[in-house]
Amino acid sequence: GAVVSQHPSWVICKSGTSVKIECRSLDFQATTMFWYRQFPKQSLMLMATSNEGSKATYEQGVEKDKFLINHASLTLSTLTVTSAHPEDSSFYICSARDSLAGTQPYNEQFFGPGTRLTVL
Amino acid sequence: DAKTTQPPSMDCAEGRAANLPCNHSTISGNEYVYWYRQIHSQGPQYIIHGLKNNETNEMASLIITEDRKSSTLILPHATLRDTAVYYCIVRRDSGGYQKVTFGTGTKLQVIP
Repeated sequence: GAVVSQHPSWVICKSGTSVKIECRSLDFQATTMFWYRQFPKQSLMLMATSNEGSKATYEQGVEKDKFLINHASLTLSTLTVTSAHPEDSSFYICSARDSLAGTQPYNEQFFGPGTRLTVL
Repeated sequence: DAKTTQPPSMDCAEGRAANLPCNHSTISGNEYVYWYRQIHSQGPQYIIHGLKNNETNEMASLIITEDRKSSTLILPHATLRDTAVYYCIVRRDSGGYQKVTFGTGTKLQVIP
């Protein structure tokens, strides 16, 4: 299936700094990507929908000024956690769909391997 | 999207079939049943999905009841690598554009 990569796979930063996480679709184009957050022993929670060339759509309760999303190309979306604090420590996962595919079963969303953020 | 109910955890002996149930009694006629799994510290992996007919692929089989209010994911010969959290999700779109809303899932432990 299609491959989605994330970089970095893990990051440790000091409180108050900003961290950028990249999500790339390696062998397909994705006009839409999704960002999720997962706390330990909890399920994935959708944070926002990233749309290429336009503003992201944030879920209720997610601060758009704190979690900046940029989807500047068809293969790259970035999530920047600004002024990170320990409570932002989490597992961040993105997903993407092949924009050029139809609606066949194999054209499902593909998830990245995740990025583990630890804020000290 | 309709809500789903899954048992929090299950054990299965290696080599045996793992049958993971899911209740979705409020499913609508145009909603699909999807299954994903998440191995520890990895991103979710798509397994299978269906509307009303039973489906089978190289990973698993999906059995949907005639009234569509419940379904069962079957891993025919479970291996240790199948240990993961399995999520049952119902949603309208089959094209992948819609967001995926995850519930709490079933933690499957395959035992040697």
